[in-house]
Amino acid sequence: SYELTQPSSVSVSPGQTARITCSGHVLAKKYARWFQQRPGQAPVMLIYKDSEGPSGIPARFSGSSSGTTVTLTISGAQVEDEADYYCYCAADKNHFFGGGTRLTVL
Amino acid sequence: EVQLVESGGGLVQPGGSLKLSCAASGFTFSDSAMHWVRQAPGRGLEWVSRITAKADNYATSYSASVKGRFVISRDDSKTTVYLQMHSLNVEDTAVYYCRRTVSDYPFDHWGQGTLVTVSS
Repeated sequence: SYELTQPSSVSVSPGQTARITCSGHVLAKKYARWFQQRPGQAPVMLIYKDSEGPSGIPARFSGSSSGTTVTLTISGAQVEDEADYYCYCAADKNHFFGGGTRLTVL
Repeated sequence: EVQLVESGGGLVQPGGSLKLSCAASGFTFSDSAMHWVRQAPGRGLEWVSRITAKADNYATSYSASVKGRFVISRDDSKTTVYLQMHSLNVEDTAVYYCRRTVSDYPFDHWGQGTLVTVSS
């Protein structure tokens, strides 16, 4: 079965760069998406096709890919970026999310 | 403006059934794939099911945890997607989100979710 592995937590100070990784064999063949979920809210897509940013998403959010790992980078993290972040991938009929990463900015 | 509004959640006993609905507006429903994604209390996101657009023959797929118990369907004339859930157990307790995607396009919209609680 497919699995996507994320660190459970990442912590940075305001203004620093936060990097969240997502690893899985399927990522070598399929694109990933990244979602942000603030407490009590629905997820919001930040990145699609590994590194593309949809309109309306702040430019400090970027994505990259290398082999079986994709990375979400938040350049100059802000307090408002404190949230849970999930990677996601779809392969044929299989769809799956990573376990999620809690980002703390303080 | 894209809107996805879920309904039908509530309290159900183990072994029971429930049908969720998601009313969509603000986009061309028939061109969109529709998903259900759930989130158990304090846990991460879990993809549940998807039904493709008409152009892809309304193909359905399910996660292993719900296959054989849940059925996804859609009514393009009502711009609504459904999730019929049978043989519910306590592990199915979660907020269920409706989600819209379009192949090869950066459209990925979610509703606010409806809570399903399975408990005796």
